[in-house]
Amino acid sequence: KQEVTQIPAALSVPEGENLVLNCSFTDSAIYNLQWFRQDPGKGLTSLLLIQSSQREQTSGRLNASLDKSSGRSTLYIAASQPGDSATYLCAVRPEGGATNKLIFGTGTLLAVQP
Amino acid sequence: GAGVSQSPSNKVTEKGKDVELRCDPISGHTALYWYRQRLGQGLEFLIYFQGNSAPDKSGLPSDRFSAERTGESVSTLTIQRTQQEDSAVYLCASSLVGTGYTYGYTFGSGTRLTVV
Repeated sequence: KQEVTQIPAALSVPEGENLVLNCSFTDSAIYNLQWFRQDPGKGLTSLLLIQSSQREQTSGRLNASLDKSSGRSTLYIAASQPGDSATYLCAVRPEGGATNKLIFGTGTLLAVQP
Repeated sequence: GAGVSQSPSNKVTEKGKDVELRCDPISGHTALYWYRQRLGQGLEFLIYFQGNSAPDKSGLPSDRFSAERTGESVSTLTIQRTQQEDSAVYLCASSLVGTGYTYGYTFGSGTRLTVV
């Protein structure tokens, strides 16, 4: 059974710092991995999608890496800003099965202090 | 539409009443998912629709929950005889489906359901 874990559960950093969020998954048979952010009381906003054949994806100050064989992904945020404060979720799309539903991690609550 | 649209955005209902939640996916997205997120908890998969295939209902928590989708259009999630434990944010997502290249999900902003 695929399980997705995110470390740390919560993180507080001063504005301007670079930071790394971690995501690990137990079964490497995945189609892709997606990072989302969720603001309080809101839905999910997709940040980056990495296919299983890719090693990383970049969007602005965000860079996500994927090491499928070791079951790990990291989300790097450069020069953090207070507006980055949110919960960050990673999710994998498992291979096989009829559903291909996303399996979500537990999330990292990020607070960027001004 | 440009994104996944859900309505209502907020719903307060009395225990025992039925509620209907609506999701309008991105045009052309053949896959549609419903998830539930209780306060302070992770996302729970509820149900999946893919084209005209039989839906995967394996995540529905009880027979009080049902969902419909006509073709590749709007989906409705119905909760009958609501209970307080049904209070949660109900999120809908849609995606393209294809061989080879796989697609990411786009989520709606959710419906916050409060059962009093």
